[in-house]
Amino acid sequence: AQSVTQPDIHITVSEGASLELRCNYSYGATPYLFWYVQSPGQGLQLLLKYFSGDTLVQGIKGFEAEFKRSQSSFNLRKPSVHWSDAAEYFCAVGGDSSYKLIFGSGTRLLVRP
Amino acid sequence: NAGVTQTPKFQVLKTGQSMTLQCAQDMNHNSMYWYRQDPGMGLRLIYYSASEGTTDKGEVPNGYNVSRLNKREFSLRLESAAPSQTSVYFCASNTGVEAEQYFGPGTRLTVT
Repeated sequence: AQSVTQPDIHITVSEGASLELRCNYSYGATPYLFWYVQSPGQGLQLLLKYFSGDTLVQGIKGFEAEFKRSQSSFNLRKPSVHWSDAAEYFCAVGGDSSYKLIFGSGTRLLVRP
Repeated sequence: NAGVTQTPKFQVLKTGQSMTLQCAQDMNHNSMYWYRQDPGMGLRLIYYSASEGTTDKGEVPNGYNVSRLNKREFSLRLESAAPSQTSVYFCASNTGVEAEQYFGPGTRLTVT
């Protein structure tokens, strides 16, 4: 079955600390992978995406993610978190001809001053 | 260029009432989607339209109908609202399998 797992429901980090949000997927075809961010009361904004090529992809706001096929993972990282990064983060996978995305359940990031 | 727009932003319905959520995109995208978002469950696909003139069920279609009115507009209808349909509804669009989906701001629906 196709699925996306984000094992951490909440993560709290101090401002300036590094961040890693985990994402594991199960997908039958070649996966296209996405990370979205949602601020409270807002829609979803794309942070970055992976289709092919270099397995380390750079996104907006200083985020990056690494695709590891052997581990079926696409973890999101940021070297130094800012208070404005507090939000909910969603990992998603797609890639078949239906164009659908499957979303994880999200990780809520809290940032301590 | 407004992107994806949704109306209304908020709605309160009584059980059994009907309503239509409207979605429009001005990016000339072929594909459009309706999701619902519930706490701890991420986004779940209700219906999608891969191209104008086609619609297909997603993961949670029961209790909903859709209409792809033209290339720009994709509406979601609740014929007889139930409390279980209390949720935040998002519309999204994209141009195909390799393109990211662009999301509207959402409609917060409460059914009492």
